[in-house]
Amino acid sequence: GAVVSQHPSWVICKSGTSVKIECRSLDFQATTMFWYRQFPKQSLMLMATSNEGSKATYEQGVEKDKFLINHASLTLSTLTVTSAHPEDSSFYICSALREGTTDTQYFGPGTRLTVL
Amino acid sequence: GEDVEQSLFLSVREGDSSVINCTYTDSSSTYLYWYKQEPGAGLQLLTYIFSNMDMKQDQRLTVLLNKKDKHLSLRIADTQTGDSAIYFCAESMGYSSASKIIFGSGTRLSIRP
Repeated sequence: GAVVSQHPSWVICKSGTSVKIECRSLDFQATTMFWYRQFPKQSLMLMATSNEGSKATYEQGVEKDKFLINHASLTLSTLTVTSAHPEDSSFYICSALREGTTDTQYFGPGTRLTVL
Repeated sequence: GEDVEQSLFLSVREGDSSVINCTYTDSSSTYLYWYKQEPGAGLQLLTYIFSNMDMKQDQRLTVLLNKKDKHLSLRIADTQTGDSAIYFCAESMGYSSASKIIFGSGTRLSIRP
């Protein structure tokens, strides 16, 4: 099956610092990856669509200067939370689109970010 | 607008069937999904159904789709303790799963002995 990894699985940082989260498709190439945010006991909210070699498409209300997305290769997308604040604490989940007979999104295990 | 709704909790006895229901508002959905999330983990795609299908069965899982009522259900036969998780219903807009996925709030399934 398709495997998507995220690194780190959890991170604690001080307010004002930046944190980078990696999303990798391990056994397939993904032109498109997605970044989601999940608050405790809530659903996933799509933050942005990451496209290899081009700019990410952000959902309404998501600050692109705060959540920097780079999709530099067909197997790696990164999300950088810049100048993190406690309200940015959340569970961040990525997915990678495997294109084929049936296009399917495969999800990573998530990264729990805690900002002190 | 786009909206997917689910009940928040479901409790079933081990060995019984679980039925998790979902309603959605956008009739242009082309793919409908069920995902499973275990505590502290990411999402696992359980199954999906195309909007032109009424039913899909995969081992213990049965998905029923009523397009007229915009109602989707997931039935888990012979529910086991390992089925305890949050189950998300989701819909995809557009013509492929490359399109944006809208998730429901999730149904927490608990199993009692």
